[in-house]
Order: sequence, then C-alpha cells, then structure tokens
Amino acid sequence: AQKVTQTQTSISVMEKTTVTMDCVYETQDSSYFLFWYKQTASGEIVFLIRQDSYKKENATVGHYSLNFQKPKSSIGLIITATQIEDSAVYFCAMREGGDSNYQLIWGSGTKLIIKP
Amino acid sequence: NSKVIQTPRYLVKGQGQKAKMRCIPEKGHPVVFWYQQNKNNEFKFLINFQNQEVLQQIDMTEKRFSAECPSNSPCSLEIQSSEAGDSALYLCASSLPGQNTEVFFGKGTRLTVV
Repeated sequence: AQKVTQTQTSISVMEKTTVTMDCVYETQDSSYFLFWYKQTASGEIVFLIRQDSYKKENATVGHYSLNFQKPKSSIGLIITATQIEDSAVYFCAMREGGDSNYQLIWGSGTKLIIKP
Repeated sequence: NSKVIQTPRYLVKGQGQKAKMRCIPEKGHPVVFWYQQNKNNEFKFLINFQNQEVLQQIDMTEKRFSAECPSNSPCSLEIQSSEAGDSALYLCASSLPGQNTEVFFGKGTRLTVV
C-alpha cells in the first residue's frame, strides 16, 4: 500500500537559519517520483522541487534541496537561509511510476514558522 | 505563478442546495484533478480527468458529487445536495501527462455550507 508520512506537525526556527522537514514513504513500485509543495496562508499551493527515484543525486532548486535516502524511504526537504515568507505548510507527495491515473499520495503537512 | 483559474473563490450554500465550482486548467494541460482539503489540511482526492475522460474517482464522487471537463469549456465540480461536512477548500489542479510531471494548483474555492 502506498503511504506518505510527515511526522512533524509544526516547526519553528529563527530567520536565516537552515531547517529540515522529514517525509517517509511506502511503495512497492520500483519507480516513483517525490514532490514537495508549499501552501501559503492564503491557501495558494506552490510546487517546490521533485526527486526521481532512479536518480542518485539530491535535487536542488534555489534555497530548497532534498535529502533522498532511498534505503530508508526518506525524502527530507532542506531550506537554507530561511526567510519570513517561507512560513507556510509544506507537503510531501509521491506518485508511483506504474500509476497510469497519475495519482498523488499526500502527506499530512508540516507547518513551518519562521521567527524574525 | 500557476495559471489554473478557479471560480468562485468563496461559495456559501445552505444545506441541501447545489454548489458548483469551475476550473480552467493551465493551457496545454490535459490532466485535471479535483481535491477536497479539510480544516486539518488533509487532501482528499475526488476525481481526475485526462482530456474529457474520467481517469479515477472515489465512491463519494459517484453519489452526490458530479464533475466534468468538456472540451473548450471550463471543468466543473458540482455537489448536488450540500451537507455541512462538505465545507472545505476545493482545489483544482492540472498537469501534463506523465508520472514525473508537476501538478499546478488553482487558488481554490472555499465552500461553506450553513
């Protein structure tokens, strides 16, 4: 069965520091894709970064990077030099390569609070 | 910025009333999703389409919920007889076909059933 778990419900850090948000997933598929999204206070959901299961290199986009630990089925999101506007709820999601219906399996989200 | 357009942003209905919301997917995106997000931020998949064809839908959608994505018209999600438990943020998203493609969301329709 497919499942995505985010155990951290809320994290609070000081501005300009680095934060890591955890996500573990379960899948029987050998090929899968992992996504991170952010939902702002207004409700807007924005795509941040993607990791393909067959790639060994951790994806990086701007001040977002991933810590992909395949043996642990873990895909952590790292935000460096955090800014106040990074305050949001962050969601991890997974799509299996064998799913022709393109379903995304979502985690429950982690609320990130950046303090000035 | 996402180019998925959802209308209306807010919708207030009485119990038993119909509630209809619309979505224009990003140009060139044939895959459209509808999700319901509750107050606990949980995403509940409702239905998705590729072009005008339903790919997958949940049982709840088959009863009071109906959705369509006609060609050359906005996609729509309609609740035939609204219930208090339907109060939620309804999110439309679109993507290119493919398992590795990102999904882009609209700003949502917040439905309140009073």
